[in-house]
Amino acid sequence: EADIYQTPRYLVIGTGKKITLECSQTMGHDKMYWYQQDPGMELHLIHYSYGVNSTEKGDLSSESTVSRIRTEHFPLTLESARPSHTSQYLCATRRAFSGANVLTFGAGSRLTVL
Amino acid sequence: LAKTTQPISMDSYEGQEVNITCSHNNIATNDYITWYQQFPSQGPRFIIQGYKTKVTNEVASLFIPADRKSSTLSLPRVSLSDTAVYYCLVGEGNTGGFKTIFGAGTRLFVKA
Repeated sequence: EADIYQTPRYLVIGTGKKITLECSQTMGHDKMYWYQQDPGMELHLIHYSYGVNSTEKGDLSSESTVSRIRTEHFPLTLESARPSHTSQYLCATRRAFSGANVLTFGAGSRLTVL
Repeated sequence: LAKTTQPISMDSYEGQEVNITCSHNNIATNDYITWYQQFPSQGPRFIIQGYKTKVTNEVASLFIPADRKSSTLSLPRVSLSDTAVYYCLVGEGNTGGFKTIFGAGTRLFVKA
């Protein structure tokens, strides 16, 4: 059903490293989102995009940055990872439904910063 | 975006029907009501969406009263695998905004 891919699924890195979490979709959806979620906690919107060359910050302040050069890709980058960035990062696209839009999520990228 | 209020958690037993109610007093005319399900370590998954009255699919039913200020997700005969967090979202009309905010959701525990 959903063709939204996130890589890597799991990543363990040391403090100070630069990392990029990839999100790609084959559905041609314009709107894409990044959420951050700690285990057992709420989903927080950190970035979203209306389409190519459009990015916005979400409700939760994040030190990460995103880019949207192509419709299919919406990568998230941390220039210098810290232990506080340890979390699960979920990418989603928004599609039209019969009445209103719904989100389709990828499997997530679980990041651990040591 | 309309704010929603749901119970923090609910317990049930296998085979029972579970009803989760969501309050959304300031729902707008063009807002839809959408429910998602999330299992641990996975992203939320769309369950059902409705605008008014009743909607039913193979997974659940959604009951919306005439004033639309609340909605009830009904899960028939739950099993252990229905243990998850359930989110109620209001908005998302095709001409609406693009920020999709999830609340705390309702943690459903299904016991044997």
